[in-house]
Amino acid sequence: NAGVTQTPKFRVLKTGQSMTLLCAQDMNHEYMYWYRQDPGMGLRLIHYSVGEGTTAKGEVPDGYNVSRLKKQNFLLGLESAAPSQTSVYFCASREQGARETQYFGPGTRLLVL
Amino acid sequence: AQTVTQSQPEMSVQEAETVTLSCTYDTSESDYYLFWYKQPPSRQMILVIRQEAYKQQNATENRFSVNFQKAAKSFSLKISDSQLGDAAMYFCAYRSAELNNNNDMRFGAGTRLTVKP
Repeated sequence: NAGVTQTPKFRVLKTGQSMTLLCAQDMNHEYMYWYRQDPGMGLRLIHYSVGEGTTAKGEVPDGYNVSRLKKQNFLLGLESAAPSQTSVYFCASREQGARETQYFGPGTRLLVL
Repeated sequence: AQTVTQSQPEMSVQEAETVTLSCTYDTSESDYYLFWYKQPPSRQMILVIRQEAYKQQNATENRFSVNFQKAAKSFSLKISDSQLGDAAMYFCAYRSAELNNNNDMRFGAGTRLTVKP
């Protein structure tokens, strides 16, 4: 099993450009998450999904959109990138149940110039 | 909303010695889970240990153990016999176990642990 994978690993964007980050998991998990990690702030939840076709806002959703058309994939979109979106983005997934372990992808480093 | 505080931005320990990382949290809930994650330079988030709030016994995983003080809302991580490979960022995290909650995780800001040979 590959676990949770993220594409791409690193990307440089110019302000105003758009892009999509792809997260894929092969563990048949219901729940998927997108976080951003900034220095001194830990991980903050952007959006999440509790099942195929459903999405919801997290703590810092502004400037991002998501889609979960297939259970195994969770896409994070930036329609018009801003320098404030320079960060490391992590995807995660887990089974239902609050006790379940959350598995993380390797992260995507995004630099917006 | 629940908050998680890690008051030590950086810690260091001599190889083979013991170090304790602090974490406090704020919640009005009675049922929840607490986690410690390790993030080495590779950036991969690795689960170190998990504690269920309803359990009085402190969780242990080999050289890693926690001191869970529910009344004080404290959840510290003790690393015994520290090894060079323990050097990493350590994040404390909280997850509600309440029904009708999206059960997302709240993370602290992290503690960077350095292990000196």
